[in-house]
Amino acid sequence: DVKVTQSSRYLVKRTGEKVFLECVQDMDHENMFWYRQDPGLGLRLIYFSYDVKMKEKGDIPEGYSVSREKKERFSLILESASTNQTSMYLCASSFTTTEKLFFGSGTQLSVL
Amino acid sequence: SQQGEEDPQALSIQEGENATMNCSYKTSINNLQWYRQNSGRGLVHLILIRSNEREKHSGRLRVTLDTSKKSSSLLITASRAADTASYFCATDASGSARQLTFGSGTQLTVLP
Repeated sequence: DVKVTQSSRYLVKRTGEKVFLECVQDMDHENMFWYRQDPGLGLRLIYFSYDVKMKEKGDIPEGYSVSREKKERFSLILESASTNQTSMYLCASSFTTTEKLFFGSGTQLSVL
Repeated sequence: SQQGEEDPQALSIQEGENATMNCSYKTSINNLQWYRQNSGRGLVHLILIRSNEREKHSGRLRVTLDTSKKSSSLLITASRAADTASYFCATDASGSARQLTFGSGTQLTVLP
């Protein structure tokens, strides 16, 4: 069974903290994605990566950075967390960038 | 930017009834996909329909696509309480920067 694993289901951080969200996939997918999901706004793409060390900005990259040092792992970094980054964060992977994404279970991040 | 918009935002039906959700989008697409999300979990891919297809079936799911109206519908037949979830359409816009754009979803509640 294919699997995308996000390191934490729930995370509580303080304003100004550096936050790392980790995502690992076991399907040898080239492409990995980070979305945030907020009520009424659907999913919004933060960053995606189509190869190791390669990344592209999505619709809302401000305040975030990413790292992909190995094919199976894609990290989302909040350099200095702010309260407006409180959200559900979803990682996904796929063989192609626009077909059949496999999602992790999500990380509900609260920034206090 | 949001490409797909689902309608209705919320739908409540009795077990055994059919559920129909609609998705409208703005620009030409290569494909349209439907995903399901159980409360507090990640999304699961249900079905993909390409721009040259008009209808597709998968088990109790039937998806139609009308590219002239830029709309799609997802029909779930003989619904079950376990179908209770949010349903999202996602579009791959022609000539886009290789990313899917998700709508804000339809919350389906199936009452036993």
